[in-house]
Amino acid sequence: GDSVTQMEGPVTLSEEAFLTINCTYTATGYPSLFWYVQYPGEGLQLLLKATKADDKGSNKGFEATYRKETTSFHLEKGSVQVSDSAVYFCALTQGGSEKLVFGKGTKLTVNP
Amino acid sequence: DAEITQSPRHKITETGRQVTLACHQTWNHNNMFWYRQDLGHGLRLIHYSYGVQDTNKGEVSDGYSVSRSNTEDLPLTLESAASSQTSVYFCASSAGYDNEQFFGPGTRLTVL
Repeated sequence: GDSVTQMEGPVTLSEEAFLTINCTYTATGYPSLFWYVQYPGEGLQLLLKATKADDKGSNKGFEATYRKETTSFHLEKGSVQVSDSAVYFCALTQGGSEKLVFGKGTKLTVNP
Repeated sequence: DAEITQSPRHKITETGRQVTLACHQTWNHNNMFWYRQDLGHGLRLIHYSYGVQDTNKGEVSDGYSVSRSNTEDLPLTLESAASSQTSVYFCASSAGYDNEQFFGPGTRLTVL
């Protein structure tokens, strides 16, 4: 079945460092891809999404590009802040389905 | 403002008891979902509904049931709670295909 693999955490960075969280997927057809973020003690919220190959999703300084040839959707941010400390989840929905398949999550801690 | 709420936020129960977790959304979304979040597993889909009177099994549905009698609510019932069902449970809703899923704040359930 469809699956998402994301880099194991935790990831610890200093403020203003560059962030990459790797995400690759296995799916039949043409999935839509998502990054969700979970701040401590809260539910998940959508960070960005891309619905077709070569689309770039962006929000709050985060970016991810849908790469069909490498089945990847890596999350990047040029300069992280302490407030970015959270757990990040990569996810996909198969075409025609509303169901989300999640990766295991990557915990990011940003130190001042 | 529209929102999605869950109750209770914390619950401790004993093995064998029936437990119901409530989920209520005021988005008027047709689609509603229940997930469980466990360390090392990310989020896994338990049950979902695409509208009133519609319910479907997800990846980890054994021991759980849902019913959808109106648009706003999708209660999750554990028929006979087991220690393996100790987890954090999230409810989510969405308007339709590829639309953002909005998550509730979660219910932390402990089964002793």
